[in-house]
Amino acid sequence: RKEVEQDPGPFNVPEGATVAFNCTYSNSASQSFFWYRQDCRKEPKLLMSVYSSGNEDGRFTAQLNRASQYISLLIRDSKLSDSATYLCVVNGGGSYIPTFGRGTSLIVHP
Amino acid sequence: EAQVTQNPRYLITVTGKKLTVTCSQNMNHEYMSWYRQDPGLGLRQIYYSMNVEVTDKGDVPEGYKVSRKEKRNFPLILESPSPNQTSLYFCASSRQGMNIQYFGAGTRLSVL
Repeated sequence: RKEVEQDPGPFNVPEGATVAFNCTYSNSASQSFFWYRQDCRKEPKLLMSVYSSGNEDGRFTAQLNRASQYISLLIRDSKLSDSATYLCVVNGGGSYIPTFGRGTSLIVHP
Repeated sequence: EAQVTQNPRYLITVTGKKLTVTCSQNMNHEYMSWYRQDPGLGLRQIYYSMNVEVTDKGDVPEGYKVSRKEKRNFPLILESPSPNQTSLYFCASSRQGMNIQYFGAGTRLSVL
């Protein structure tokens, strides 16, 4: 069962680069979407919710494409501290249980 | 401070010795769940609870038990641990399953 899919990466980018990740989901009735960040061996933490109209938080932009059933995360001006694994989470669509993607690894190098 | 607290953080045990990992949240959340995370496999849900006395299996429940006698606590029980249960475990809670999940700091378990 692969309801939520992410490219595991790693994405290796230099500082200052712009990088984008996608996350596809299979349940067209899904209702809420999130991006989490997980540092090595630490707990996942909410990065941002994803709204239908798209939303921005500083260098981070999240977008939802319902027609193609994917969400995206764009990181501008990458910092070394952005190195982490980014998990997408999809909720709803007949289930109250959140579904996590396996995560995309980002490595930002000097 | 709103938080999810797991204990212990690290545990080394031997095959067959029963153990309990505790999880407690102070946010009055209805929904709580347990995950295990293994390299290359991502987060896999073990059990979840929609509210007190309501629990259900996740994707990988074999070898685990849970209970939800109080809203704030959701312990994970391994009656007879085996080496394949060596993993990093996370407890999470949310107001409802569809809302933002708050995670505990994790429990790193090694079963020898």
